[in-house]
Amino acid sequence: DTAVSQTPKYLVTQMGNDKSIKCEQNLGHDTMYWYKQDSKKFLKIMFSYNNKELIINETVPNRFSPKSPDKAHLNLHINSLELGDSAVYFCASSLGRGGTQYFGPGTRLLVL
Amino acid sequence: DAKTTQPPSMDCAEGRAANLPCNHSTISGNEYVYWYRQIHSQGPQYIIHGLKNNETNEMASLIITEDRKSSTLILPHATLRDTAVYYCIVRGSISSGSARQLTFGSGTQLTVLP
Repeated sequence: DTAVSQTPKYLVTQMGNDKSIKCEQNLGHDTMYWYKQDSKKFLKIMFSYNNKELIINETVPNRFSPKSPDKAHLNLHINSLELGDSAVYFCASSLGRGGTQYFGPGTRLLVL
Repeated sequence: DAKTTQPPSMDCAEGRAANLPCNHSTISGNEYVYWYRQIHSQGPQYIIHGLKNNETNEMASLIITEDRKSSTLILPHATLRDTAVYYCIVRGSISSGSARQLTFGSGTQLTVLP
């Protein structure tokens, strides 16, 4: 009965590859987020969707493309992976745009 | 959203209360104070939030000063499992309807000692 789940937990890939990370929440929330935590441990917002509408789109390379097929899912596709994309990516969800956010366990991406 | 200042690290003896301070002197009237923590290698975990009144839940208490320029998170009986980075975040009005991401700072590394 995991609230916010992410797959995969670990992802090791080569530079230049394309990969996707998936997020699902069973909390009945309507807003979902992607955050990136770099090697210095700073957590930064990347994207947010509310009812499948993109509402936050921070300065992120356009190699990153989020997709929300429905309110319970938010995926992150990354094209042409670079070494600097290595980080932990966290998904979160909330009820409403200003609601309390609950985070998933993270996906650890390592680009070689 | 207002910026927050926290000490980089603190120690606390197991079983004692852990008091984590946060300064947010530029907070505005409709901004909330949120606390999250991140245990090593896990996702951030919501702890508590408040506007101006003190708040308590099963995890912690939040004490906000009358002028709202600072707050203290209190873990009443710290355990080893409370060792984590604690983040104090000021966030815009929940009712505003606008998108409100969480802006994380560097937080306070709390180490609970046996």
